[in-house]
Amino acid sequence: DAGVTQSPTHLIKTRGQQVTLRCSPISGHKSVSWYQQVLGQGPQFIFQYYEKEERGRGNFPDRFSARQFPNYSSELNVNALLLGDSALYLCASSRGQDYQPQHFGDGTRLSIL
Amino acid sequence: QKEVEQDPGPLSVPEGAIVSLNCTYSNSAFQYFMWYRQYSRKGPELLMYTYSSGNKEDGRFTAQVDKSSKYISLFIRDSQPSDSATYLCAMSGSNFGNEKLTFGTGTRLTIIP
Repeated sequence: DAGVTQSPTHLIKTRGQQVTLRCSPISGHKSVSWYQQVLGQGPQFIFQYYEKEERGRGNFPDRFSARQFPNYSSELNVNALLLGDSALYLCASSRGQDYQPQHFGDGTRLSIL
Repeated sequence: QKEVEQDPGPLSVPEGAIVSLNCTYSNSAFQYFMWYRQYSRKGPELLMYTYSSGNKEDGRFTAQVDKSSKYISLFIRDSQPSDSATYLCAMSGSNFGNEKLTFGTGTRLTIIP
């Protein structure tokens, strides 16, 4: 089975621009979570969606938003990019039930110039 | 104070040695404890997860949880160069798989041939 897939792999933007990152979960997984990983740090939770509804939100500004589609794929949007938004953005999926763990994709590496 | 503390290393050991990686935490609500391995430019890969206190073994890997001390460990026996990676501990509450993960900063491990 295919794992969690994320696109694009790399992205370079300038300050003030907007970006959209995409995630396709493992087949059969209905929960998608987004994390931000700054170099040298562990991933920080941004959002979680289950069955297209937001189930959790981390301590990130309103410039960050996300949504989940009927096929359970998800998008993360970041507006008004700042230099500090440079990071690896990770998507994780899980069944969302039955106490099964989250599995991660390889992320989108976002660089802000 | 961070909810999860993890020594960032780096840690270098000779091939064949036993490796011990540790995390401490402060949130008593954590019920599930995970170890992820992350290779350079890749996403975190789930190694093991445990519920509550106790030990769990999988091949060369053993995970230990001591909830009374709020301390978890991962032991790697007969370490191999392919084990060189960053190891992340992660924790969640009772709704495992459907709530956010809280990560440590990661320990960078190098196995010297």
